[in-house]
Amino acid sequence: EAGVTQFPSHSVIEKGQTVTLRCDPISGHDNLYWYRRVMGKEIKFLLHFVKESKQDESGMPNNRFLAERTGGTYSTLKVQPAELEDSGVYFCASSRQLASTDTQYFGPGTRLTVL
Amino acid sequence: KQEVTQIPAALSVPEGENLVLNCSFTDSAIYNLQWFRQDPGKGLTSLLLIQSSQREQTSGRLNASLDKSSGRSTLYIAASQPGDSATYLCAVTSGYSTLTFGKGTMLLVSP
Repeated sequence: EAGVTQFPSHSVIEKGQTVTLRCDPISGHDNLYWYRRVMGKEIKFLLHFVKESKQDESGMPNNRFLAERTGGTYSTLKVQPAELEDSGVYFCASSRQLASTDTQYFGPGTRLTVL
Repeated sequence: KQEVTQIPAALSVPEGENLVLNCSFTDSAIYNLQWFRQDPGKGLTSLLLIQSSQREQTSGRLNASLDKSSGRSTLYIAASQPGDSATYLCAVTSGYSTLTFGKGTMLLVSP
């Protein structure tokens, strides 16, 4: 069974540019999550999809971040325009059941650097 | 607001030692607690998941305990090996579906 994949693995952009991160969850996992780790801080939750619906987006930092999961398969996270403080590692995770009962499987992350 | 603290932040031990990593959380109303391992440049790998009704879970040389009322968990690693070197993360599920993480403990096991 293929794991969670993320693309790209690294992205370096300038302030004000746009970047789109992609996550492919494990096949059959309805739940998809985005997390972020900025330097020196803990991993923090951004949002949660159940199929194509946003279940919880309480962790999204501001309206420069837009997440989509059209068709309930892969998801994209767009940052527009990027700011310096958006630098960090963005993780995607998926699970078959909700986190209250099931393990989340994490991808390798996308390291975003905003210059 | 749930907060998770991990102690120590870093730990260096010689091969063969038994060791304990600590995790504490501020809100005892949790669904479960998980221990993850992260290798450099890699994603997180779930090691153990303890449901709130459980006291401990074991997998090989790893044993995790949970004391929900006091807001504490420990991860015990027996007979440590250089391959155990990684960052260990503790996370609790206290909301509908989200994990709250600690900053992690960076473990180095030297041969």
